[in-house]
Amino acid sequence: QKEVEQDPGPLSVPEGAIVSLNCTYSNSAFQYFMWYRQYSRKGPELLMYTYSSGNKEDGRFTAQVDKSSKYISLFIRDSQPSDSATYLCAMYSRGSTLGRLYFGRGTQLTVWP
Amino acid sequence: GAGVSQSPSNKVTEKGKDVELRCDPISGHTALYWYRQSLGQGLEFLIYFQGNSAPDKSGLPSDRFSAERTGGSVSTLTIQRTQQEDSAVYLCASNSQGETQYFGPGTRLLVL
Repeated sequence: QKEVEQDPGPLSVPEGAIVSLNCTYSNSAFQYFMWYRQYSRKGPELLMYTYSSGNKEDGRFTAQVDKSSKYISLFIRDSQPSDSATYLCAMYSRGSTLGRLYFGRGTQLTVWP
Repeated sequence: GAGVSQSPSNKVTEKGKDVELRCDPISGHTALYWYRQSLGQGLEFLIYFQGNSAPDKSGLPSDRFSAERTGGSVSTLTIQRTQQEDSAVYLCASNSQGETQYFGPGTRLLVL
């Protein structure tokens, strides 16, 4: 079993839809959770960063972490065609190599006009 | 400011040849990471540098893979006797302690 599981999609939604992306993980030591966005033929760029359980909101994006269920989510409100990309969840614990990230496979999202 | 840069952007090589991939991290970043991203897969950790030392090489897939970092800056990932299964995007990231990782654009390697 991979440490981080993520449905690869693809996910296709109309402009303006609410998008929900999710990851599950098995290592209860993970404390830091991130979402990266990766456009085609580009490197991943950090979108959201949260510590431990709870919610974090940044504009149209909301990240949720439920450590009891080992489940994290990213919500995108009022989705735009420019949101079309691959979204990767990532996480790490202080106990591992400092900052070594464990990634999900990524979910490919297409937002059509 | 300048981000993480990688070269070459694309590399096509023949099976059995050696390749070198280069990463220039963000100036001042002490930590540097190499990942590999195969088609439809997430990022697979390869190696981590703190300064010029590599305390964690656990992700290197075989002894054909090696990496070094000099001057606490530039890093080179070398793949000897390349195989077709080495075809992937090789990504480099850097950070300072406690900060998030910033990724370069990657090197797309195709082994024929």
